[in-house]
Amino acid sequence: EAGVTQSPTHLIKTRGQQVTLRCSPISGHTSVYWYQQALGLGLQFLLWYDEGEERNRGNFPPRFSGRQFPNYSSELNVNALELEDSALYLCASSLLHTQYFGPGTRLTVL
Amino acid sequence: QQQVKQSPQSLIVQKGGISIINCAYENTAFDYFPWYQQFPGKGPALLIAIRPDVSEKKEGRFTISFNKSAKQFSLHIMDSQPGDSATYFCAASTLGGGADGLTFGKGTHLIIQP
Repeated sequence: EAGVTQSPTHLIKTRGQQVTLRCSPISGHTSVYWYQQALGLGLQFLLWYDEGEERNRGNFPPRFSGRQFPNYSSELNVNALELEDSALYLCASSLLHTQYFGPGTRLTVL
Repeated sequence: QQQVKQSPQSLIVQKGGISIINCAYENTAFDYFPWYQQFPGKGPALLIAIRPDVSEKKEGRFTISFNKSAKQFSLHIMDSQPGDSATYFCAASTLGGGADGLTFGKGTHLIIQP
């Protein structure tokens, strides 16, 4: 069974640009979580999508947004990129309470 | 406010030894406690998880000990091997759905010396 996949693997952007990250959950999983893993800050919860709806968001500004598609894949959008947005962005799909992570997208903002 | 405190930040253990990582939580609503292992450049991989209705859970060389009254839990890696060298994260959430996602500790960088 395929695991969680994310694309792209790496991304380099400049301040003020916009970026879209993509996640495909494990087949049969309807929940997708997004996390930010910035250096020195650990993993922080960003967004939770379930059955196509945004269910909750963490303590991040509105320029972090996303959506979940009918096939349960998800996108994370970040507008007006700032230097401190440089991080590994992780997607996790969930069945019941267990979360399985993808390999992440490494975003560098210059 | 950090709700899950993890220690130590880094740990060096000799091959064959026992690695012990500790976590403490504050939110009494937490009722699901997983541990993740992360290698450089990879996403975290679920190692083992426990609910508060048991005090210990063992899977292979990995054991979680849980102390509900103290609001503490720990990971023990028996017979530690160089391949265990990685960063380990404890986490906590509410079993009811994890609406706030997983709350992670800051991680422990484990090095197993041959």
